Amino acid sequence: GEDVEQSLFLSVREGDSSVINCTYTDSSSTYLYWYKQEPGAGLQLLTYIFSNMDMKQDQRLTVLLNKKDKHLSLRIADTQTGDSAIYFCAETDNAGNMLTFGGGTRLMVKP
Amino acid sequence: GAVVSQHPSWVICKSGTSVKIECRSLDFQATTMFWYRQFPKQSLMLMATSNEGSKATYEQGVEKDKFLINHASLTLSTLTVTSAHPEDSSFYICSARPGREYEQYFGPGTRLTVT
Repeated sequence: GEDVEQSLFLSVREGDSSVINCTYTDSSSTYLYWYKQEPGAGLQLLTYIFSNMDMKQDQRLTVLLNKKDKHLSLRIADTQTGDSAIYFCAETDNAGNMLTFGGGTRLMVKP
Repeated sequence: GAVVSQHPSWVICKSGTSVKIECRSLDFQATTMFWYRQFPKQSLMLMATSNEGSKATYEQGVEKDKFLINHASLTLSTLTVTSAHPEDSSFYICSARPGREYEQYFGPGTRLTVT
């Protein structure tokens, strides 16, 4: 079955870059997403990437996809304390159904 | 744009009662809505997919008679937890997908506590 894995925890200093990694096993994934979840809240879509793309940049966010290694990363430039949250990667099938989430990476930003 | 609301945001109910949770897409029409469950400090697990006007598709292991889903309109889906038990206590999150398949927007979640 599908499996999506993420490291549990990342701590960075304010102003540094953060890189959150994700690996997946389903090679047929069509879309890969990054979501942010703040305490007690639902998920906020940050960005997504099509499986035929290698990179996508959106302001402070850069998504890199290595399809050969089934590795997805999210880089946050100039990390701020407001970026402290749990970040989930997720993959979908061709129909766009959200099939599998990673376990989430808790990002802590120290001032 | 693309706002999804859920009501209530939290609910406490007694064991054996039923609870209805609403999910609304406020500024777009959602042909498909999804219901997820999240246990503390864990990831989301997809419970079911609902398409407007048709029966929901449940994931393996999810009891359809316990978790009733109704997607009555293009902006509203409801999840009813019937005969709730303490093990049903969880954070329930819905998401809605407009026509473009790669976009999916999440509601703020509903925290259910069954005593």
